Amino acid sequence: NAGVTQTPKFRILKIGQSMTLQCTQDMNHNYMYWYRQDPGMGLKLIYYSVGAGITDKGEVPNGYNVSRSTTEDFPLRLELAAPSQTSVYFCASSRTSGGSTDTQYFGPGTRLTVL
Amino acid sequence: AQTVTQSQPEMSVQEAETVTLSCTYDTSESDYYLFWYKQPPSRQMILVIRQEAYKQQNATENRFSVNFQKAAKSFSLKISDSQLGDAAMYFCAYRSARMGAQKLVFGQGTRLTINP
Repeated sequence: NAGVTQTPKFRILKIGQSMTLQCTQDMNHNYMYWYRQDPGMGLKLIYYSVGAGITDKGEVPNGYNVSRSTTEDFPLRLELAAPSQTSVYFCASSRTSGGSTDTQYFGPGTRLTVL
Repeated sequence: AQTVTQSQPEMSVQEAETVTLSCTYDTSESDYYLFWYKQPPSRQMILVIRQEAYKQQNATENRFSVNFQKAAKSFSLKISDSQLGDAAMYFCAYRSARMGAQKLVFGQGTRLTINP
């Protein structure tokens, strides 16, 4: 049982380049999330999905796009990378969104640097 | 909007001693959930403990316990018998209990060092 997996672990981009951060979960969870963690800060929600084909914006969605074509996968797309997007990106999933017993399980993170 | 504040950027404790990490939050809601997450150097976010706001009893998980003061909007984490493996960043987080609420609101984190 792998849980939530993310690829790549590290990436360096040049300004203006594009890339996709991959996220896959094998727990058959309906809800999936993308967070970013800036140095010395907590996590902030970028986008989330409540099921295949349904996505919505979080706190800091500008500069990102997502899609959810399957239950398992929730890729995050950066179209025109900017230095402000240098961060660690975490994907998470949960069975539902409600109830304290519904834990969000996190992937190991992707460290992205934009130069 | 809800906010979570951790006023201690860094804390240190001797191995086997007890340490308390502070967290305060601001919300106008009456029903919500509070969490403490641990982030070791591996970066993995690990749930340590959770508390439902409607419960008066403080949550405990082995060596970890919380002091939940709803009126004061305070949610501190106590770690007893500290171990070297407890060294990590600790994040306090809030989530509304409203239907469809998905967002976890995190504090800035407290870096805990365990001195042998």
